[in-house]
Formats: sequence, C-alpha cells, structure tokens
Amino acid sequence: GNSVTQMEGPVTLSEEAFLTINCTYTATGYPSLFWYVQYPGEGLQLLLKATKADDKGSNKGFEATYRKETTSFHLEKGSVQVSDSAVYFCALMKFSGANSKLTFGKGITLSVRP
Amino acid sequence: EAEVAQSPRYKITEKSQAVAFWCDPISGHATLYWYRQILGQGPELLVQFQDESVVDDSQLPKDRFSAERLKGVDSTLKIQPAELGDSAMYLCASSLSGTVYGYTFGSGTRLTVV
Repeated sequence: GNSVTQMEGPVTLSEEAFLTINCTYTATGYPSLFWYVQYPGEGLQLLLKATKADDKGSNKGFEATYRKETTSFHLEKGSVQVSDSAVYFCALMKFSGANSKLTFGKGITLSVRP
Repeated sequence: EAEVAQSPRYKITEKSQAVAFWCDPISGHATLYWYRQILGQGPELLVQFQDESVVDDSQLPKDRFSAERLKGVDSTLKIQPAELGDSAMYLCASSLSGTVYGYTFGSGTRLTVV
C-alpha cells in the first residue's frame, strides 16, 4: 500500500539556519505529494504541493521538489524564522476519483530558537 | 477565505460516555473526510464521504464509532462508548471531487477521555 516516511525528529535550529526535512514515499504510479504544517493547537494547513515528477512546490520561502527517481519530496528553507516553529507533515495522494485520500507521514516537530 | 467549521473545539468526556463531533465543510465540497490524529503521529483516515454516501470506512472502529452525512452537507462523528484510547484530535476536511490538489482541514476537536 501507499506510505510516507519522514525523518525522525524533533529538529531544533537557530533563527536564519538552513532547514531540510526528509520525506520519502512508497506508492504505485504517480501520486501527488504535499507538505502540511500544523501550528500548536490548530488543524493542518497546506504548505505546498507537487503533482508530477520534477515539479517544485513553493510557498512562504519553503520549497520541495518531486523526485520520482528517489521517491522523495524533501522540504527545504534557506533561512528559518521563529514563526516557522510547528509540526510538518509530508503526505501523498493517489488519485482514484471519488476514492482519493491523503496518506500522511508521522510528522516532525521543528523548533526555531531566536 | 472559506473554512471548514468544526465543533466543539475541545471536549472532555468520561470513559463509557457518548460523544459527538460536528463538521461543516466548505460550500460546494462534495467530499468530506474524518481523520484521527493521536498525539505525536500523523492523521489517519477514519471515514470518507462522497455527498451523503460512505466511500471508505475501512479504518473506522464500527463497534463504537459511527458517522453520518445525511443531506450531503454537514457531518457528525459519534463515539459510543468512549474509551481512554480514543483521546486524540479529530480532524474534518473537505475537497472538491476529483481533485489532486489536497484538501482543506478544519481546526479539529481535541478529545480527552478520562
């Protein structure tokens, strides 16, 4: 079945540091890939997405590239801010019409120190 | 910006009691999802509706959980009787049918069973 594996956390960085959060997936065919962010006490917000191989999703300084050859979708940001502290989830969707659903990784907590 | 509404935001209930959560999706979104997120883990799908019909409830513990979406708009998730292990965040999400672009989550209901 479909699955998403995220690197173990938590991750603690100083403000303005470079961020990489690894994500790999297992799926047949060509799923769509997503990063969601969850701030404390809130629901999930879509951060970025990519729907086909070599697509790059980007938003708020975050980027991730859909790598079919390595089945990866690593999240990066060149300079993190304290306000980026949150839990980040990688997810995939295998589109099958009305039965499409998101499958999530376990998430990783990012803490950014001033 | 359109939102998925959920209530209550927080719920504390005693073991063996009944509890219900409500979700109102974004207007026009035919697909509605209920996810359960245990602390420290990624969300897991409980049930998916397409209009008023259940598309996937394979992970719903049907001996105690039930879900309905009678008019194909808002939805209710019920647990009876609640168990300690049901303590989690219950997230509702909605999407346009057939989209590969992910979906919109509500802020969730934090359930604590004591």
